[in-house]
Amino acid sequence: DAGVIQSPRHEVTEMGQEVTLRCKPISGHDYLFWYRQTMMRGLELLIYFNNNVPIDDSGMPEDRFSAKMPNASFSTLKIQPSEPRDSAVYFCASSRGRSGTGELFFGEGSRLTVL
Amino acid sequence: GIQVEQSPPDLILQEGANSTLRCNFSDSVNNLQWFHQNPWGQLINLFYIPSGTKQNGRLSATTVATERYSLLYISSSQTTDSGVYFCAAPLGGSQGNLIFGKGTKLSVKP
Repeated sequence: DAGVIQSPRHEVTEMGQEVTLRCKPISGHDYLFWYRQTMMRGLELLIYFNNNVPIDDSGMPEDRFSAKMPNASFSTLKIQPSEPRDSAVYFCASSRGRSGTGELFFGEGSRLTVL
Repeated sequence: GIQVEQSPPDLILQEGANSTLRCNFSDSVNNLQWFHQNPWGQLINLFYIPSGTKQNGRLSATTVATERYSLLYISSSQTTDSGVYFCAAPLGGSQGNLIFGKGTKLSVKP
């Protein structure tokens, strides 16, 4: 399998612009997670899905953030409007079974810089 | 929710040395995972180890669930082992998302 695939790898945008990050999980995995990593806060979970249904979005910082999973092979994380404090590396990860605690595999991340 | 604490926060080794990284967790869990984030930012799953011991080459991990800790051993360290090592445990003990420790930053000098 190709692993978890994320795009874009790097994104530089200006404050106020819309940002869309994309993720393709590993085929057969029924859980998909979006994490954000910053120096200050480390790795924090934003939202996760089970069988394309959002299960816990309590980590989403505010209404500017939204995530969708229209099918088993695709998810998006959208920030609108973006702010400089959203600058971070955003990781998508997927796993199979075990109530969401199965072996977790990460994509290479999307590094977002908001000017 | 569960607390996950790692030690030491930083570790500098000479190539060839051995090391032990520790992960303590506050509640009983049925799942403990170790990850390596290399200097390029990639997060790689090293071990899925709810209990017992597993080995993969120069790396091995042991989880003692009853005492709420896990250890990661690195033997004959190489410069490519540098990076940050994270452990993670389920928020709810047996289900839900993983909670990550703050990591141990390892630097292996040639």
